[in-house]
Amino acid sequence: NAGVMQNPRHLVRRRGQEARLRCSPVKGHSHVYWYRQLPEEGLKFMVYLQKENIIDESGMPKERFSAEFPKEGPSILRIQQVVRGDSAAYFCASSPSAVYNSPLHFGNGTRLTVT
Amino acid sequence: AQSVTQLDSHVSVSEGTPVLLRCNYSSSYSPSLFWYVQHPNKGLQLLLKYTSAATLVKGINGFEAEFKKSETSFHLTKPSAHMSDAAEYFCVVSNSNDYKLSFGAGTTVTVRA
Repeated sequence: NAGVMQNPRHLVRRRGQEARLRCSPVKGHSHVYWYRQLPEEGLKFMVYLQKENIIDESGMPKERFSAEFPKEGPSILRIQQVVRGDSAAYFCASSPSAVYNSPLHFGNGTRLTVT
Repeated sequence: AQSVTQLDSHVSVSEGTPVLLRCNYSSSYSPSLFWYVQHPNKGLQLLLKYTSAATLVKGINGFEAEFKKSETSFHLTKPSAHMSDAAEYFCVVSNSNDYKLSFGAGTTVTVRA
């Protein structure tokens, strides 16, 4: 019974490159959330998606960041033209229903380093 | 709006002694409260959750937490620390009408042999 799978575990990008982070939710979960963890801080909400729909992207920077959760395949968090400030751990979580009714299952995260 | 304050950024205990991690929250609605643990380079694992049932919540690995509405607190305790409890712990709140989780800044626990 696989949990949330994120890849890659570690990603190094030079400034200006693109970063693509992938997340496969728990089988049967249709709600996906992306969170960012900066050093010495707790996780901050970025975006909430259901299959093929972005429900809430209020925590995501308006420029350079985008997310999708297609009908088939994993959810993708895409960061264009990365800058040093994008260096962080990015966690994906999934749930079978709206989060206040069920706790989130988190992946192990992708640690992005921008050089 | 909701928020969480973890009162200690770092707690150090000896193996076999009690652990107390303090958390205060603010919420406009009936909150759901969670404690998650994060071991180094790992994802977050749910320890326990409170969702308006019993105020004393028992979780995994011997942890428990007590919801005190009058004090807006949700402190995490364990009677006897184990070396494997060394990790970072996050107190988390969500409102009953909001799917966004609000995380505290985390408490790092170290366990001395």
